[in-house]
Amino acid sequence: GQQLNQSPQSMFIQEGEDVSMNCTSSSIFNTWLWYKQDPGEGPVLLIALYKAGELTSNGRLTAQFGITRKDSFLNISASIPSDVGIYFCAGLTSGTYKYIFGTGTRLKVLA
Amino acid sequence: ETGVTQSPTHLIKTRGQQVTLRCSSQSGHNTVSWYQQALGQGPQFIFQYYREEENGRGNFPPRFSGLQFPNYSSELNVNALELDDSALYLCASSVGDEQFFGPGTRLTVL
Repeated sequence: GQQLNQSPQSMFIQEGEDVSMNCTSSSIFNTWLWYKQDPGEGPVLLIALYKAGELTSNGRLTAQFGITRKDSFLNISASIPSDVGIYFCAGLTSGTYKYIFGTGTRLKVLA
Repeated sequence: ETGVTQSPTHLIKTRGQQVTLRCSSQSGHNTVSWYQQALGQGPQFIFQYYREEENGRGNFPPRFSGLQFPNYSSELNVNALELDDSALYLCASSVGDEQFFGPGTRLTVL
């Protein structure tokens, strides 16, 4: 099935470092969502973006809706061990009902 | 805590059998979507129900079917199970464009 490209695929970082990841698509989206998934659990919604260029924060997380509407970015500042998990982006085209998910970025934080 | 629950948590079936997975959405969320998530991949859209009618479908065969009930619960039924159906099945309820996922049902087909 169709999936969006996320990079990096995985990353190890030191506690306290900032993290950046991105999601790209060949299609234009009108809504971007970012999720975090822990092993054996469902994805948890972190941030929703609705407008090109929009920058939205949720605590230490900041996400941006790319101007081209074909990409989105997620930053985590001052990472902590509980940030470990898989981060997924998901895009939705206006007038459709089907979210397309990314391939995921696996984050590991070294204490 | 998303308020979305799924049952059972885990399930083991053999090839050719049928399975029913259940989801209870948040009150007031009249849209529910089902996803299949294979190991190491992102969720893949199966279908969506809105007010008890199928609203759209992904690239899954007809042996994947669903139902949505007025009490915000829903079911995913899979007939003639195949080995490749082994995955985490997720339901997500939504109002507007924000989807909230349940914890999933891990299905293993032997």
